[in-house]
Amino acid sequence: EAQVTQNPRYLITVTGKKLTVTCSQNMNHEYMSWYRQDPGLGLRQIYYSMNVEVTDKGDVPEGYKVSRKEKRNFPLILESPSPNQTSLYFCASSLSLTATNEKLFFGSGTQLSVL
Amino acid sequence: QKEVEQNSGPLSVPEGAIASLNCTYSDRGSQSFFWYRQYSGKSPELIMSIYSNGDKEDGRFTAQLNKASQYVSLLIRDSQPSDSATYLCAVNDSGGYQKVTFGTGTKLQVIP
Repeated sequence: EAQVTQNPRYLITVTGKKLTVTCSQNMNHEYMSWYRQDPGLGLRQIYYSMNVEVTDKGDVPEGYKVSRKEKRNFPLILESPSPNQTSLYFCASSLSLTATNEKLFFGSGTQLSVL
Repeated sequence: QKEVEQNSGPLSVPEGAIASLNCTYSDRGSQSFFWYRQYSGKSPELIMSIYSNGDKEDGRFTAQLNKASQYVSLLIRDSQPSDSATYLCAVNDSGGYQKVTFGTGTKLQVIP
């Protein structure tokens, strides 16, 4: 089954404790992206990657890191989480956004709480 | 900052009525427009895409695009309680950037 898999689904942590949210897709997609979703602010892009070893900042990259060492994986790293990073996070992938009709496939989301 | 604007709602319609959801965008060069549906606690899923001015119909859904007015809309005919969700408008950025900008979404409630 074609899918984007995110783990964990829920995560509670404390300020300053490094964490990683994993994202993997099995569709051989070139494009992958991370979003956070907050009430009243909608989906905001954190980082995206157009291919292996190619990443770029989105609208809200502060406090986050990503890597794309393999085409299928795109982990989101919070080196020192803070309470303002409490949010619902989504990983998404697409074959390529340069094609006008390419849609995003979303993972099931990770609800992160930073205490 | 390129923007996509939606009324947050909630938009309440009776079962069987037509629901009309609207979206405006700021990037005049955008070429691709999408409507995603998001049920509470779930991830967004694509329901419609549109690239040319005019209407595009898919079952009970019709997307409408007016590039001159920078306006996209989604009509849902014969609304059902299962249509109750948040609808996100999304726009691909122009200029070759690999970026999709989302609106904040409109919450639709279909009353049985």
